[in-house]
Amino acid sequence: HVQLQESGPGLVKPSETLSLTCSVSVDSINSYYWSWIRQAPGKGLEWIGYISYTGHTNYNPSLKSRVTISLGPSANQFSLKLSSVNAADTAVYFCAREDITVFSSRLGPWGQGTLVAVSS
Amino acid sequence: DIQMTQSPSFLSASLGDRVTFACRASQSISRYLNWYQQKPGRAPSLLIHTAVTLQSGAPSRFSGSGSGTEFNLTITSLQPEDFATYYCQQTYSVPETFGGGTKVDIK
Repeated sequence: HVQLQESGPGLVKPSETLSLTCSVSVDSINSYYWSWIRQAPGKGLEWIGYISYTGHTNYNPSLKSRVTISLGPSANQFSLKLSSVNAADTAVYFCAREDITVFSSRLGPWGQGTLVAVSS
Repeated sequence: DIQMTQSPSFLSASLGDRVTFACRASQSISRYLNWYQQKPGRAPSLLIHTAVTLQSGAPSRFSGSGSGTEFNLTITSLQPEDFATYYCQQTYSVPETFGGGTKVDIK
């Protein structure tokens, strides 16, 4: 049973870069897609983007100019960077495995989420 | 972007009730529709994928229906652990988008 765990700073200053890492309980990420989703306090879910095990990425156009999802730093990790953050980026950030086939695409399992606040 | 609209936003129901709530897509998404359950302080959990397929391990009292633009999630007999917020998600096109959620409360 695969498990995911987010890690990173819980507080980021405005205009700086938010950096999070997701650790997956496997030896290496060599299949599936790996996604980031966020949820502002009391709000709904927003898909940020994903990366495939080959390094192919797809981002939400609303964030594309500020987002980078990458594999690593370790073989069982993938990362999120969001630049030029502001208060609207305050949210719980989830990582999840995304199972994409020709006929379906679904998110699961998910990490427990990590709250990142943007404040000076 | 494809807009996903869920209704109602809130639903009060009693243990044992059969409840159905809806999700509408702003354009046809075939059956690229998932349902998730989220409890307070927890990550969402996949219930239904491809509109009608019960995720392995999800209780059989949950069922999904629909295709195109209209979808439903039905719980046949509400259990205490079902009081939560339910989100639909379309994966037909990028960006993947979620509905605003339906929160199920105890009446």
